[in-house]
Amino acid sequence: DAGVTQSPTHLIKTRGQQVTLRCSPKSGHDTVSWYQQALGQGPQFIFQYYEEEERQRGNFPDRFSGHQFPNYSSELNVNALLLGDSALYLCASRDRETQYFGPGTRLLVL
Amino acid sequence: AQSVTQLDSQVPVFEEAPVELRCNYSSSVSVYLFWYVQYPNQGLQLLLKYLSGSTLVKGINGFEAEFNKSQTSFHLRKPSVHISDTAEYFCAVSFTSGTYKYIFGTGTRLKVLA
Repeated sequence: DAGVTQSPTHLIKTRGQQVTLRCSPKSGHDTVSWYQQALGQGPQFIFQYYEEEERQRGNFPDRFSGHQFPNYSSELNVNALLLGDSALYLCASRDRETQYFGPGTRLLVL
Repeated sequence: AQSVTQLDSQVPVFEEAPVELRCNYSSSVSVYLFWYVQYPNQGLQLLLKYLSGSTLVKGINGFEAEFNKSQTSFHLRKPSVHISDTAEYFCAVSFTSGTYKYIFGTGTRLKVLA
């Protein structure tokens, strides 16, 4: 049974650019959350998707947006990248109260 | 508002010695509690969780944690650590309903010394 998968594993962008990160949940999971983990910090909740709609959002600007597809996979889009957006972006799929995390996408903004 | 405090940013310990990683939380409502481990350049792996019932929870790799409601703590313990336990450990809480989003602590880096 495949776990949560994310692509790409690493990404380098420059300030002002836009980026799209992708996530496929564990089989049978229909809810996907995204977290941002800055260096040396704990993950911070960005938002959660269920039934192709954003259910809850953390304290992140509108530059961060997402999408969920009918097959439950999800994308995280970040526009107008800032240096401070450099981080590990983690996707998690949920089975009731427990979240299962993917390996993450490491984004470096230069 | 919920919050999680991991008081120790780094914990060095010798191999085969016991270890305790501390986690305290603040919440006005009931919570679920979790410990995750993160190895270098990897995602988060679930170690154990407390949902209800027995306050002593056993997890993978010989780890256990005890939920103490009066002290709002969920400390992680292992009686004998191995070099391979060197990693970052995160405590997290979530509400017991709704989206179950997690609030994480800042992490504790466990360094096991030979």
